[in-house]
Amino acid sequence: DIQMTQSSSSLSASVGDRVIITCRASQSISSFLNWYQQKPGKAPKLLIYAASNLQTGVPSRFSGSGSGTDFTLTISSLQPEDFATYSCQQSYTAPYTFGQGTKLEIK
Amino acid sequence: EVQLVESGGGLVKPGGSLRLPCVASGFNFSSFSMSWVRQAPGKGLEWVSSISSRSDYMYVAESLKGRFTISRDNAKDSLFLQMNSLRAEDTAVYYCVACGTTGCYTGYFEYWGQGTLVTVSS
Repeated sequence: DIQMTQSSSSLSASVGDRVIITCRASQSISSFLNWYQQKPGKAPKLLIYAASNLQTGVPSRFSGSGSGTDFTLTISSLQPEDFATYSCQQSYTAPYTFGQGTKLEIK
Repeated sequence: EVQLVESGGGLVKPGGSLRLPCVASGFNFSSFSMSWVRQAPGKGLEWVSSISSRSDYMYVAESLKGRFTISRDNAKDSLFLQMNSLRAEDTAVYYCVACGTTGCYTGYFEYWGQGTLVTVSS
């Protein structure tokens, strides 16, 4: 199975900050990497697909990059509604594994 | 508006069975591959199973093979997860998910239901 590792389980930041969340795959997954946002008690929401494609309706302050094994999700200017948990997921091959999640908290 | 509505969750004893239905609306269900993803309390997301649009291909997480079965009824816009021989570690919120137009394989989990909680306990 491909292991997905997010470098931080939690991150503290302030409104207006630029935040980068990283995700590493245990083997190359090309660009088959997706990012999800989840708020407490809610279902996850797709933010970025295929490493760098912004899902329809997602604010442009979110962006994704990377290929192979190393990927990043960037929030250019953190807004109050962005405090949530972010998870990466590979769709290169089944089982479609997720990272453990990075909880973004208010500093 | 796309809607995925799961039901069938609840409290079940270890060794018991449960069938989770998910009813879809607002999109052409029969054209989309579908999946189940679960989340144990306080834990991360875990892919459970996927099925292609015409049920040609079905995949189940290795650790769940033999106990969990995915199926669908395109005539009724419905997805199902049959869970047998349930264990305490199967306790989780189970989400019904529609994959993007390219499918689940090399695709993404585009639309999510609100989830249904399954609790396995004596």
